[in-house]
Amino acid sequence: GESVGLHLPTLSVQEGDNSIINCAYSNSASDYFIWYKQESGKGPQFIIDIRSNMDKRQGQRVTVLLNKTVKHLSLQIAATQPGDSAVYFCAENWGGGADGLTFGKGTHLIIQP
Amino acid sequence: EPEVTQTPSHQVTQMGQEVILRCVPISNHLYFYWYRQILGQKVEFLVSFYNNEISEKSEIFDDQFSVERPDGSNFTLKIRSTKLEDSAMYFCASTTEPGSTQYFGPGTRLTVL
Repeated sequence: GESVGLHLPTLSVQEGDNSIINCAYSNSASDYFIWYKQESGKGPQFIIDIRSNMDKRQGQRVTVLLNKTVKHLSLQIAATQPGDSAVYFCAENWGGGADGLTFGKGTHLIIQP
Repeated sequence: EPEVTQTPSHQVTQMGQEVILRCVPISNHLYFYWYRQILGQKVEFLVSFYNNEISEKSEIFDDQFSVERPDGSNFTLKIRSTKLEDSAMYFCASTTEPGSTQYFGPGTRLTVL
């Protein structure tokens, strides 16, 4: 079936290094992708989004890359900080009136001091 | 900055009891959602709501679930007869239009005993 998934459940990086979190999606009809950050005991917090007519979008310290050819999404976090420790989810939304988000399983990002 | 709020933060109930989870979406948003997250798993879409009716629901959202916007600010999720497997975090989200960023509340932790 169609699904959104993440390649790695846990990613450990040194403070100050860059992090890359990957996501694969299989629904070719998806036209909107979002990265959420979830800290323990809290709700998903919007980080950055991208639409299918783009392949890159930058925010503050974060960049999302979309490769529609291989159906791959990535989140790059520059100069990671202790506050970046969280679980990161990618989510997709596909058109045709289906506006519920489909979430991936999540990657736990751990920042080592 | 406006945010989605949810009450209560934690609800404990006995199996078979009815529970109502409450949400106050962001004030100028028109589309509302409920999601759930079983411990350690990904966030799952339950239902979307617009113009006082359900616009989409997942297979999880069976006859035991219902949603309502009883007034101009609240959005509720009712579980008629709770089961053990309903234990999860329930998140409310809202947005201005489909295919746009959905903003999540902090969640209600439901524990069914």
